[in-house]
Amino acid sequence: AQTVTQSQPEMSVQEAETVTLSCTYDTSESNYYLFWYKQPPSRQMILVIRQEAYKQQNATENRFSVNFQKAAKSFSLKISDSQLGDTAMYFCASYSGGSNYKLTFGKGTLLTVNP
Amino acid sequence: DAGVIQSPRHEVTEMGQEVTLRCKPISGHDYLFWYRQTMMRGLELLIYFNNNVPIDDSGMPEDRFSAKMPNASFSTLKIQPSEPRDSAVYFCASRMTSGGREFFGPGTRLTVL
Repeated sequence: AQTVTQSQPEMSVQEAETVTLSCTYDTSESNYYLFWYKQPPSRQMILVIRQEAYKQQNATENRFSVNFQKAAKSFSLKISDSQLGDTAMYFCASYSGGSNYKLTFGKGTLLTVNP
Repeated sequence: DAGVIQSPRHEVTEMGQEVTLRCKPISGHDYLFWYRQTMMRGLELLIYFNNNVPIDDSGMPEDRFSAKMPNASFSTLKIQPSEPRDSAVYFCASRMTSGGREFFGPGTRLTVL
């Protein structure tokens, strides 16, 4: 079974600064995918970034990037130039490409961006 | 594309009543998922379908919950009878087999009084 752990229930950052959200996972599969989802107060679940485990290059989407450490089973999210609109709950998630297509979520990290 | 569509967006009902939540997945997606989100338990996967067939319903909390997918463009989650502890936000999501990107609907906020 897969597990996803987010050890930081809450974090805060000043506008325009950089913040890193931590995530560790555990899986016995060799082929798997990792995700970060954002859930703002509107509660809409929005995909922020996606990483395929077989790709060594870290995924990047504008101000969002990940630090994927496969051996350590770590998948942290870095948000650069934080904006007020980044205030949200962030969920780390994974699923394997084998027979189990279920997405496993972490408990989430509530990020607050302060002006 | 309109994305995953859920209805209603809000539902308030009284204990004992039947509740039906609806979902229209993104066209071409062959996986459909139902999740429940509460403060206490976070995001829980209730059931998922592949090509309209239920694959794993181990997350369905009780027999009061049932889900159907009569065709590729429609699914329902039914609670009968509803109880106050069923109050939560229910999400529907869909995904293509390849690619791994799961798209969520806006959710239905259910309140059972």
